[in-house]
Formats: sequence, C-alpha cells, structure tokens
Amino acid sequence: GESVGLHLPTLSVQEGDNSIINCAYSNSASDYFIWYKQESGKGPQFIIDIRSNMDKRQGQRVTVLLNKTVKHLSLQIAATQPGDSAVYFCAEKGSNQFYFGTGTSLTVIP
Amino acid sequence: GAVVSQHPSRVICKSGTSVKIECRSLDFQATTMFWYRQFPKQSLMLMATSNEGSKATYEQGVEKDKFLINHASLTLSTLTVTSAHPEDSSFYICSATDRGTYNSPLHFGNGTRLTVT
Repeated sequence: GESVGLHLPTLSVQEGDNSIINCAYSNSASDYFIWYKQESGKGPQFIIDIRSNMDKRQGQRVTVLLNKTVKHLSLQIAATQPGDSAVYFCAEKGSNQFYFGTGTSLTVIP
Repeated sequence: GAVVSQHPSRVICKSGTSVKIECRSLDFQATTMFWYRQFPKQSLMLMATSNEGSKATYEQGVEKDKFLINHASLTLSTLTVTSAHPEDSSFYICSATDRGTYNSPLHFGNGTRLTVT
C-alpha cells in the first residue's frame, strides 16, 4: 500500500522565521494531497490542499509545493507565529482512504 | 463551512461498559465517514470506513464486534466501543468527506478522549 513519510519528526523555529515541513509519498498515481494542523487534544484542521496538476498553491502565510518527479510535498509557513506550534500531517488520497504521514511537531520559540 | 461535530469530547467509563461516540456533519452531507484512533505522539490509525446505509469496512486487526459503527444517515455516524477495557483508552477521531465532491478534503471532528478505568 501507499506510504507517506516525513523527513523530520520535530522542528523548532524562531518566531518570525519561515518554517518548511517536508513529506514524501510513494504512489506516483496519487492526485490529491492535503496538509493538516493538529493542536494538542484536538482533531486535525485543514490547512491547504493541492491537486497533482499543480506544482504550487498559496494560502494565507502558507504555501504547498508539490514535486511529482521525486514524489515530495512541502508546507511552507511564512513568519511563523507561536500559534503555529502544533503537529503537522500530510495526507495523500488513495483509492478508498487517505494516507497520513507520521507527523512533524513544530515548536515556535518566542 | 464543512463542520464536523463529535461528541462527547471526553468520557470516562468503567471496564466492561459500552461507550457511544457520535459524529455529525453539520453543514454538508457525508457519503463517507472515517474513524481513526490516535495514540500519543503518533499519527492517525484508520479503524474503519463507513458509508451511509451500508456496513462499515474495517481495517485489518480492528475487531468489528468490539467497535460497532453505524452510519444511518448522510450526517451521522456512531462508533460504539463495546465491553471497553483499559487498553481501549485512546483518542478517537472521526472525519467525513463532502458528498459528490471529488478530491475534497477530509473534515475532522475534535476527537473523543476515552479513558477506561
């Protein structure tokens, strides 16, 4: 089956700096990807998604980049704020379900 | 939009009792709902997929007689943990997709923290 993995389990950044969270996926046929943010004790919250016909998509302070050649997905957070501290998951749409990465814990240092 | 409501948020029960968790899509119709279990500092583990009006599909290793799932309408799915044991203590999260919308994101409830004493 598919596997979705993250390169780094934890990431610490200074407040105001940019954050980059990476994700690798294995199914080259996947056509839809999502980033989620999960705060402690809460369910995952949708951040941004991207379809495979796109390489880049921007939201408010967030950008998702998709490199289909190397099957890599990244989430960039601009001007990281303390409220961005959370666990971030990438998700890949499979035929019947979504496959989630292991998660990256982002800590923002004031 | 796309709000999923999950109740209760926390529940403590005694070993041997059953607990029901509700998951509702408030402003959209959910053809499919997913139930996950999450252990501390780990990712989401899919337990089962439920489609409205049909039996749930359980992932390998998940006991269907222990984790009863009902998806009776396009806006409600329930997970009942039967004869709960301390090892069932966990964080359970439901999610739903919007009916008829291809490539739409999963929308998650806020989870239920189950503690079995």
